[in-house]
Amino acid sequence: AQSVAQPEDQVNVAEGNPLTVKCTYSVSGNPYLFWYVQYPNRGLQFLLKYITGDNLVKGSYGFEAEFNKSQTSFHLKKPSALVSDSALYFCAVRDMGGTYKYIFGTGTRLKVLA
Amino acid sequence: DTAVSQTPKYLVTQMGNDKSIKCEQNLGHDTMYWYKQDSKKFLKIMFSYNNKELIINETVPNRFSPKSPDKAHLNLHINSLELGDSAVYFCASSHLTPLATSSTDTQYFGPGTRLTVL
Repeated sequence: AQSVAQPEDQVNVAEGNPLTVKCTYSVSGNPYLFWYVQYPNRGLQFLLKYITGDNLVKGSYGFEAEFNKSQTSFHLKKPSALVSDSALYFCAVRDMGGTYKYIFGTGTRLKVLA
Repeated sequence: DTAVSQTPKYLVTQMGNDKSIKCEQNLGHDTMYWYKQDSKKFLKIMFSYNNKELIINETVPNRFSPKSPDKAHLNLHINSLELGDSAVYFCASSHLTPLATSSTDTQYFGPGTRLTVL
């Protein structure tokens, strides 16, 4: 069955340091991969997606993610974290070889310390 | 000019009551969704409608009934509310049916409705 795993409930990073939020997936076909961000008391906002092509995807607010097929991963990265990046981040996948449903990970809370 | 809006933002009610949450999108999308986010922030899809037709119906109690009067609206009606229904409910919309093989749709989320059942 298809699934998405975000192994870290929380990631703490100092402002100005690089950040990584991890995501791994399991699907039967080709994956469409997404990252969303949720600020407190707000709905989810789209950050970036991988459909096909270049494995490195650039998105909003300076975030990027790298699709790694052999490791079935799609980690979110940013070279220099800002305090305003503190939020809840969700990885999501659509299984294009099966049910085509959207499946969200359990979320990772990012805390950027000043 | 909000893209996806939900009303009410907060809903506090007693067990056993019936309540509705409304959702409207002005993006011209043809697919709408309802998600439930529990206290641990876990997000799970409940329903999806495409052009007013139900296409995804996950395992949710039949006390939950979505209603889509037109493709810009997807309301969620909940009968006989229970304590476990307390959560934040998010509406979302996208351009293409979630079952389309060529779909690369991005979902746009509403601000959420925090439901508290006492």
